[in-house]
Amino acid sequence: AQTIHQWPVAEIKAVGSPLSLGCTIKGKSSPNLYWYWQATGGTLQQLFYSITVGQVESVVQLNLSASRPKDDQFILSTEKLLLSHSGFYLCAWRQSSYEQYFGPGTRLTVL
Amino acid sequence: GQQVQQSPASLVLQEGENAELQCNFSSTATQLQWFYQSPGGSLVSLLSNPSGTKHTGRLTSTTVTKERRSSLHISSSQTTDSGTYLCAIDHYGSSGNKLIFGIGTLLSVKP
Repeated sequence: AQTIHQWPVAEIKAVGSPLSLGCTIKGKSSPNLYWYWQATGGTLQQLFYSITVGQVESVVQLNLSASRPKDDQFILSTEKLLLSHSGFYLCAWRQSSYEQYFGPGTRLTVL
Repeated sequence: GQQVQQSPASLVLQEGENAELQCNFSSTATQLQWFYQSPGGSLVSLLSNPSGTKHTGRLTSTTVTKERRSSLHISSSQTTDSGTYLCAIDHYGSSGNKLIFGIGTLLSVKP
């Protein structure tokens, strides 16, 4: 069975500080991977997707970056957080055109 | 661009009542998924139904592709059904394949 793990579960960070969020997929080889973001009370928006190691495409510009250093790992980061980065971050995977499956999420509060 | 609209915005039921949630989208969808988002934020895939009718447990989804609408029927609601129900469709655009989400229907089931 496939499992998707995100870390950390929650973060409270200061404006201007760096951020790194992680996502790991187990039990599935070469999945398509996605990062989503949801502001409080807002709609889920796709930020990045990756179909293979080392290749990441940006969908929405939010002064964030993403990397896929390994087949089963997807990292979201920034060097300087903004207040507007607060929200809920979800990682997801899918195989081809089938359903997407989401991780448990990371709640980020920027103060 | 592709839009997903959900109605009603919120719904309050007594336990045991049925719920009917609607999703309308602005262009043809090759994949349509219904998700449940818990009050804590985690996302669970309920049904994938790009066309026709699908059942799982107390859930029934009917999608009429040419009319660009889908519904989710929840029978005999339970307090544990409370949360937000999201509809999402596939969109193939210049930035690749992505899921477009609606804002959701907030369901509250009272005992």
